[in-house]
Amino acid sequence: GEDVEQSLFLSVREGDSSVINCTYTDSSSTYLYWYKQEPGAGLQLLTYIFSNMDMKQDQRLTVLLNKKDKHLSLRIADTQTGDSAIYFCAERGNTDKLIFGTGTRLQVFP
Amino acid sequence: EAGVAQSPRYKIIEKRQSVAFWCNPISGHATLYWYQQILGQGPKLLIQFQNNGVVDDSQLPKDRFSAERLKGVDSTLKIQPAKLEDSAVYLCASSLEGTGHEKLFFGSGTQLSVL
Repeated sequence: GEDVEQSLFLSVREGDSSVINCTYTDSSSTYLYWYKQEPGAGLQLLTYIFSNMDMKQDQRLTVLLNKKDKHLSLRIADTQTGDSAIYFCAERGNTDKLIFGTGTRLQVFP
Repeated sequence: EAGVAQSPRYKIIEKRQSVAFWCNPISGHATLYWYQQILGQGPKLLIQFQNNGVVDDSQLPKDRFSAERLKGVDSTLKIQPAKLEDSAVYLCASSLEGTGHEKLFFGSGTQLSVL
């Protein structure tokens, strides 16, 4: 079945880059997404990448996709304390359902 | 533009009791989703509506969970009777059409604690 995995925690210093990783199993994934969830709030779409791309840049965010290894990453440049949140990777496969990963809690220290 | 509204924000009940959650999607959004997010896990789709019809309820525990979307706008999700393992955040989301890779807009969720 479809499965999306992420590491649970990441801690970085303010101003450094953060890299959040995700692996998925569904080779028929069409779109892959990164969502951000702040405490007590719903999920907010940050960015997405189509499966025929290998990179997408959007201001401080860079998404890298290695389709052969089924590996997705999100790089946040110049990480700020306001970036502290849980980041979810999600994929949309042939069932057209959005399958979320377990989430990575990013903590940014001043 | 108003976002997805959910209520109540928190709910504490004892096992075997009933509970209902309410969601008002963004105006004009045809598709409405209910997700269950257990602590430490990603959201899991429970049910998807397109207007007032059910598109996918394959992961809804139908022996105790029910949902409806009368008139294709607001929706309610009910649990009867609740079990301890139902403790979770219940997220409602909506999208314009529910096709392709449309953006989903999420509400803040209802946090349910079953004691």
